[in-house]
Amino acid sequence: EAVMTQSPATLSVSPGERATLSCRASQSVRSNVAWYQQKPGQAPRLLIYAASTRATGIPARFSGSASGTEFTLTISSLQSEDFAVYYCQHYNNWPPWTFGQGTKVEIK
Amino acid sequence: EVQLVESGGGLVQPGGSLRLSCSASGLTFSNYAMHWVRQAPGKGLEYVSGISSNGGDTHYADSVKGRFSISRDNSKNTLYLQMSSLRPEDTAVYYCVKDYTSWYYFDYWGQGTLVTVSS
Repeated sequence: EAVMTQSPATLSVSPGERATLSCRASQSVRSNVAWYQQKPGQAPRLLIYAASTRATGIPARFSGSASGTEFTLTISSLQSEDFAVYYCQHYNNWPPWTFGQGTKVEIK
Repeated sequence: EVQLVESGGGLVQPGGSLRLSCSASGLTFSNYAMHWVRQAPGKGLEYVSGISSNGGDTHYADSVKGRFSISRDNSKNTLYLQMSSLRPEDTAVYYCVKDYTSWYYFDYWGQGTLVTVSS
């Protein structure tokens, strides 16, 4: 069972700056990784699947990449609506569908 | 537009039972696996349970195995989670979640229903 470890726990970024979030898998999960965004009081929303494919309607400033067991979510130029908690998840060799512990992106 | 609407949450005493429902619309419900994911207050996301499109295959997190039961009624476009022997640590918002197809990522989430286990 792969464990997903996200870093940092909190990321302080100014609007317009780039944000880079990391997620490390404890074993190979191939490219079977998704990223979700959750704003306060809302349900999570799918951003990225297959490590780097944006979901329908997701702005191009969101991008995902992978290198081995290291996965990265990049927000190229943070907008006010992007301040939220972000979770990675693997869906390889399920069950279970394991989530990372989350990274909170806050305003600097 | 896909919509998932949960119901059935509330306050229950430790050791009690509760059944959550999720009504789905805007999709051919019988084509997709479905899941329940929960989130304790101020905490992260925890996978709870999943069921295949025809209901023949189910999965549970170790934390709920033997106490929770997932089911679906494709004629009613409804997903269920029967919860028994509830513990305070089961207190959470429970989300109904649609699978992309079968055992992939989660592409649609309901707004959630709060379950509080307390005396």
